[in-house]
Amino acid sequence: EVQLVESGGGLVQPGGSLRLSCVASVFTFSSFEMNWVRQAPGKGLEWVSYISGSGGTISYADSVRGRFTISRDNAKNSLYLQMNSLRAEDTAVYYCARERSGSSRYFFDYWGQGSLVTVSS
Amino acid sequence: EIVLTQSPGTLSLSPGERATLSCRTSQSVSNSYLAWYQQKPGQAPRLLIYGASSRATGVPDRFSGSGSGTDFTLTISRLEPEDFAVYYCQQYGNSPRWTFGQGTKVEIK
Repeated sequence: EVQLVESGGGLVQPGGSLRLSCVASVFTFSSFEMNWVRQAPGKGLEWVSYISGSGGTISYADSVRGRFTISRDNAKNSLYLQMNSLRAEDTAVYYCARERSGSSRYFFDYWGQGSLVTVSS
Repeated sequence: EIVLTQSPGTLSLSPGERATLSCRTSQSVSNSYLAWYQQKPGQAPRLLIYGASSRATGVPDRFSGSGSGTDFTLTISRLEPEDFAVYYCQQYGNSPRWTFGQGTKVEIK
């Protein structure tokens, strides 16, 4: 069974930094595009960032562009989200999700369990 | 940017009843780009429908998706106790790459 396991969440002060990790298993990680999606407490889902299988194509939501950096290490089957200049409104559960796109199929087929990030003084 | 608007915000129904959830997009989108997810408290979202009408692996056939253009529907033919959850539609786009609706909560009446 495909597994995505996030880690790195926690409590951080406004203006601080945090790095999330997502380790993948049971599939060829480098062959799949990956995303980060977040969910503020009691709120809906918000897409955060995308990275292609090679890491050569990246995109961000306007709300995090310039502050967050997505990356991956295919040798370690790992996805990362470096979050800088954190704000209270970045408080959320952050999910990594595997993307399927192309051939008339566009969706996220596997999700991690989520990692809670709390930005507060 | 394409906006997804889901309605109603909350649907109060009894087990065995039919649920009809709506997702409207601000511009016409390809059916291929529209998916639906189910999320239960404390859990990650689960893919239900992709390509507007194709059920994901393992999804019961009481779940069905339909629609085209700007109007899409998720129907649960007979609600089971495990179906009470929040449902999100999702659209693949250009910028931003992915957009979600705000969700519809299906609660027990």
